[in-house]
Amino acid sequence: GQQVMQIPQYQHVQEGEDFTTYCNSSTTLSNIQWYKQRPGGHPVFLIQLVKSGEVKKQKRLTFQFGEAKKNSSLHITATQTTDVGTYFCAGPYQAGTALIFGKGTTLSVSS
Amino acid sequence: DAGVIQSPRHEVTEMGQEVTLRCKPISGHDYLFWYRQTMMRGLELLIYFNNNVPIDDSGMPEDRFSAKMPNASFSTLKIQPSEPRDSAVYFCASSPSGGSPSEQFFGPGTRLTVL
Repeated sequence: GQQVMQIPQYQHVQEGEDFTTYCNSSTTLSNIQWYKQRPGGHPVFLIQLVKSGEVKKQKRLTFQFGEAKKNSSLHITATQTTDVGTYFCAGPYQAGTALIFGKGTTLSVSS
Repeated sequence: DAGVIQSPRHEVTEMGQEVTLRCKPISGHDYLFWYRQTMMRGLELLIYFNNNVPIDDSGMPEDRFSAKMPNASFSTLKIQPSEPRDSAVYFCASSPSGGSPSEQFFGPGTRLTVL
């Protein structure tokens, strides 16, 4: 069946270091979304990418959608303790309106 | 807007009891989704509705689970009878129509513990 995979599962960094999480889909996606879930919280939408090779930036966060539209990445420059949480990618489930989520990458940051 | 509202926030029950989780989506949103989150399986889609009509319930684990959406502002997820393996955080999310798919707005979740 359709799968969305993320690596790594966990990542610990020192504050100020960079962080990257990778997302791979078993199928070509029309778009991909990224969410962040703080510890004890709920997923919150960060961004949606639609175009092949698209790159979008939000302050220290850089999101990329692969040329083949089957992979994506999120890069955080100079992490801060406020970046702690789990980052999920999600793509359309069976090309419909629902989403299928990756299992997420949990980021911890020590100061 | 208050966002997606879920109740209760925490539920502790004993095996065999009926559990009802409630959700109020954001006004004007046409889609409502129920998810279950566990460490082992991550965030799983259980069922979703469009304009109060169930569209896909293939993620519902078994007949013990049922969901309804009697009107545009209310949905329930019921587990009867509950089992310890149902322990998880259950999220409700809503999204507006248009585009495939739109940003989803999640509620705070219900943490269910079945003893």
